[in-house]
Amino acid sequence: DAGVIQSPRHEVTEMGQEVTLRCKPISGHDYLFWYRQTMMRGLELLIYFNNNVPIDDSGMPEDRFSAKMPNASFSTLKIQPSEPRDSAVYFCASSHTNIDRGSYNEQFFGPGTRLTVL
Amino acid sequence: KNQVEQSPQSLIILEGKNCTLQCNYTVSPFSNLRWYKQDTGRGPVSLTIMTFSENTKSNGRYTATLDADTKQSSLHITASQLSDSASYICVVKVSGTYKYIFGTGTRLKVLA
Repeated sequence: DAGVIQSPRHEVTEMGQEVTLRCKPISGHDYLFWYRQTMMRGLELLIYFNNNVPIDDSGMPEDRFSAKMPNASFSTLKIQPSEPRDSAVYFCASSHTNIDRGSYNEQFFGPGTRLTVL
Repeated sequence: KNQVEQSPQSLIILEGKNCTLQCNYTVSPFSNLRWYKQDTGRGPVSLTIMTFSENTKSNGRYTATLDADTKQSSLHITASQLSDSASYICVVKVSGTYKYIFGTGTRLKVLA
């Protein structure tokens, strides 16, 4: 298995432009997560999906951020319009478990997309 | 408020030496705690996962401990190697949800 695939690996854009990040989860995984990582705040959960349905988007910072999962093998995270403070590494992760007290629920992370907004 | 605090923020050790990284958490209800290793420019990779009933878990030269009473965990690295240079992140899962609370990590540098 190729693991979680993210594209692009690097994105440099100007303030105000639309940015779309893409993710292909591991085949068979029914949970997909989007995270943002910065030096100051570490990893933060933005949103997660179960069976393509958004379950919790409370971590999405503003209305400028939106995420979709049109099918089990593809998800996008869009920022419109982008701002310099959005510069970070964005990770996608997937897992295949049930929510269960004490279960392991391991997540597998992609390589990330490094976003720089000038 | 659910929080995970890690110490130290950064650490430099010589190859072959041992080290211990600390994690304190205030997450409730608790499901499990895991340690991730994140190499520069890559996504985190799971090292160990422990539930509240597990006190220790090993993965090669990595040994994690968990004290659910004091809400503390440690990651001990034995006979460090240059390839251990990375960030180590402590993560606690909130029971009944898919919320993971991440620490900001400890950046470890192993020198030859």
